[in-house]
Amino acid sequence: AAGVIQSPRHLIKEKRETATLKCYPIPRHDTVYWYQQGPGQDPQFLISFYEKMQSDKGSIPDRFSAQQFSDYHSELNMSSLELGDSALYFCASGAGGAYEQYFGPGTRLTVT
Amino acid sequence: DAKTTQPTSMDCAEGRAANLPCNHSTISGNEYVYWYRQIHSQGPQYIIHGLKNNETNEMASLIITEDRKSSTLILPHATLRDTAVYYCIGTDRGSTLGRLYFGRGTQLTVWP
Repeated sequence: AAGVIQSPRHLIKEKRETATLKCYPIPRHDTVYWYQQGPGQDPQFLISFYEKMQSDKGSIPDRFSAQQFSDYHSELNMSSLELGDSALYFCASGAGGAYEQYFGPGTRLTVT
Repeated sequence: DAKTTQPTSMDCAEGRAANLPCNHSTISGNEYVYWYRQIHSQGPQYIIHGLKNNETNEMASLIITEDRKSSTLILPHATLRDTAVYYCIGTDRGSTLGRLYFGRGTQLTVWP
């Protein structure tokens, strides 16, 4: 069965650079969620989109923005990167804003 | 969303049943209990959810007490691949936003 695809899997950036993370949800899933997991921490909700509209927002820095496109894929844009942004970023997809979510393998972002 | 509390760690012998408890004494009538797990650095994986009846699927069983203040996730025949952090998450089904709050889960270690 098709799963959530995230790209890239690994990304190394320097401070103050920008990064774009991509997420391709499971076909026919209309909701995408983004979570951030710092080293030794639990995943934290960042933002979600339902039918291409932002549906919920967590503790996402103003330096981050995201959108969902017409084909339902989503991109998380991160600017002015800081060392503290180094983390695993997970994308999950679901149907209709449900709590049964399917997670991708994550993108490991390292900021140096 | 209901606050949940879980033991920090548990261990279990391979082939035996693993019983993971969760306390959710503040859960309200329309809040479901969801269980996820995260194998080291992989994306969280949905396991099962329930409202008030016991539930079973191919991965696990969920036993919810009659007063709904606690529940137990049962992995009937634990394998080494079940070693993971298990999260018990209370949700508001009345909300369609689907944000998952990952609190301090239980690190289950299955030993041979």
